[in-house]
Amino acid sequence: GDSVTQMEGPVTLSEEAFLTINCTYTATGYPSLFWYVQYPGEGLQLLLKATKADDKGSNKGFEATYRKETTSFHLEKGSVQVSDSAVYFCALSGNTGFQKLVFGTGTRLLVSP
Amino acid sequence: DAGVIQSPRHEVTEMGQEVTLRCKPISGHNSLFWYRQTMMRGLELLIYFNNNVPIDDSGMPEDRFSAKMPNASFSTLKIQPSEPRDSAVYFCASRDTSGGRDEQFFGPGTRLTVL
Repeated sequence: GDSVTQMEGPVTLSEEAFLTINCTYTATGYPSLFWYVQYPGEGLQLLLKATKADDKGSNKGFEATYRKETTSFHLEKGSVQVSDSAVYFCALSGNTGFQKLVFGTGTRLLVSP
Repeated sequence: DAGVIQSPRHEVTEMGQEVTLRCKPISGHNSLFWYRQTMMRGLELLIYFNNNVPIDDSGMPEDRFSAKMPNASFSTLKIQPSEPRDSAVYFCASRDTSGGRDEQFFGPGTRLTVL
């Protein structure tokens, strides 16, 4: 079945450091790919998405590119802020039938001043 | 729109008691999802509905769990009887699948503690 694998955390960075959180997937066909973010005490919210190969999703300085050849969707940000501290989830949605989301295990990011 | 609304936000109960969690999806959304989040197992999909019809309940842990969606604006997740291992944060999410949109909107969650 479809699955998502993301790097284990926590990822600990200083403010203004470069961030990469790795995500790879296994799926049949051509899924849509997502990054969701969960701030403490809140539900998940969509950060960015890409629906086809070579698409780049971007939002709030975060970017991720849909790489079909490597089945990856790594999340990057050039300069993190303390307010980016959260748990980040990579997810995919198949493009057939009822498209439920398959989530990775989440990666906690801690940014210190 | 107020977003997905869940109640209660916190629930503390004793083992053996019945627990009912409630969700009001975003108006106009036609899919609804119940998730459970724990440190050990991460985020798990329990069940999802499309147009009020349960589509996939394979994630429901056992018969003690049941979910209903009597209309497009309300869903419940019931645990009877509850057990300490049911302690988790339960999220409801809704999605509008019309027009090719596929973003799920999550509620704030219900933190359940079973003593």
